[in-house]
Amino acid sequence: KNQVEQSPQSLIILEGKNCTLQCNYTVSPFSNLRWYKQDTGRGPVSLTIMTFSENTKSNGRYTATLDADTKQSSLHITASQLSDSASYICVVSDRGSTLGRLYFGRGTQLTVWP
Amino acid sequence: EADIYQTPRYLVIGTGKKITLECSQTMGHDKMYWYQQDPGMELHLIHYSYGVNSTEKGDLSSESTVSRIRTEHFPLTLESARPSHTSQYLCASSEDFGRANEQYFGPGTRLTVT
Repeated sequence: KNQVEQSPQSLIILEGKNCTLQCNYTVSPFSNLRWYKQDTGRGPVSLTIMTFSENTKSNGRYTATLDADTKQSSLHITASQLSDSASYICVVSDRGSTLGRLYFGRGTQLTVWP
Repeated sequence: EADIYQTPRYLVIGTGKKITLECSQTMGHDKMYWYQQDPGMELHLIHYSYGVNSTEKGDLSSESTVSRIRTEHFPLTLESARPSHTSQYLCASSEDFGRANEQYFGPGTRLTVT
């Protein structure tokens, strides 16, 4: 069964600190992995996308890593800001269908305190 | 910021009422999607469209229906709302299907059925 598991479920950090969010998946055959940021009451916004051959991808203070062998990904946030408070969702796409179906994790709810 | 819009943003309605959630995009995308998301849970695909006059059901069974008469417009209708329909509904669009195509999400409609 294709699944995407994220940990931790929620996380509280102080402003300026770094944090790392985890994503494990069983989606096969794998196509790509995306990290989305979803602010409360808003739709998800893409942060990074990585294909099978990419190990790391950065977008400002966000750095995503991918280990396709162990089927794990992480999202590292550097020097956190209050505006980073949001849900971070790991999304994996398979290449076994024309639709390019997306499998969503439940997200990690990050809260940044001043 | 993606050019995809949803109205209303919030809706509280009584059981048995007919409702239509509006979704429109100005990017000229052929492919559009409706997702349902409960708090703390993953997004589930309930409908998608290949293009005008083409609609398909997604992974999650839904009593809602959709139509695609114009490229830019993809409304979702519930003929008789029930409390079990209470959820957040997210509309998305992409240039094409397939693995590398980015899905752009609207801000969502939070529906509460009393």
